[in-house]
Amino acid sequence: EPEVTQTPSHQVTQMGQEVILRCVPISNHLYFYWYRQILGQKVEFLVSFYNNEISEKSEIFDDQFSVERPDGSNFTLKIRSTKLEDSAMYFCASSASGRITDTQYFGPGTRLTVL
Amino acid sequence: AQSVTQLDSHVSVSEGTPVLLRCNYSSSYSPSLFWYVQHPNKGLQLLLKYTSAATLVKGINGFEAEFKKSETSFHLTKPSAHMSDAAEYFCVVSAGDMRFGAGTRLTVKP
Repeated sequence: EPEVTQTPSHQVTQMGQEVILRCVPISNHLYFYWYRQILGQKVEFLVSFYNNEISEKSEIFDDQFSVERPDGSNFTLKIRSTKLEDSAMYFCASSASGRITDTQYFGPGTRLTVL
Repeated sequence: AQSVTQLDSHVSVSEGTPVLLRCNYSSSYSPSLFWYVQHPNKGLQLLLKYTSAATLVKGINGFEAEFKKSETSFHLTKPSAHMSDAAEYFCVVSAGDMRFGAGTRLTVKP
């Protein structure tokens, strides 16, 4: 069964450093998403991406964040200058369409620790 | 605005007894509702979804959920818990992006 994969599973970085989190969505899916879950808090939407453009973003997704689909398979989330409060589990998801009835399939997550 | 509230942060049951995980939703239109499960160190796995067809939705691993518009609820049930059901369960409403509840941790005692 096809699945979303994410690398690395755990990333430790120093405050102020740039990090790139990588995701490989399900191959025939067209919509891609990033979510994050700070320890002990809810899973929160960050951004959705379709046709090489951001289609929606939350207020969390500020200028420090960017997303990219550098090739036909990867989908990345970059944090330019990490802050302590960026420490969280980051989930990538993909769906075949952007309809609200469509299932989003999630990856296993990348745990980001900012020191 | 779309949102969900999971009424219990932690539920503990004995193996073989029924499971009830409660979720209430708020939606300005007919919602699409989902239950996801997260086992330790694993991704979020879809259990089932409601998209305005049958109000009783059957999912994987013997779980089901009933959409009750009059109660704005979408509770998850299973007749008989198994040790492997121990995990974190999330009720989610879709509004384009997915809006997650806070999660319910299910513990299954032998």
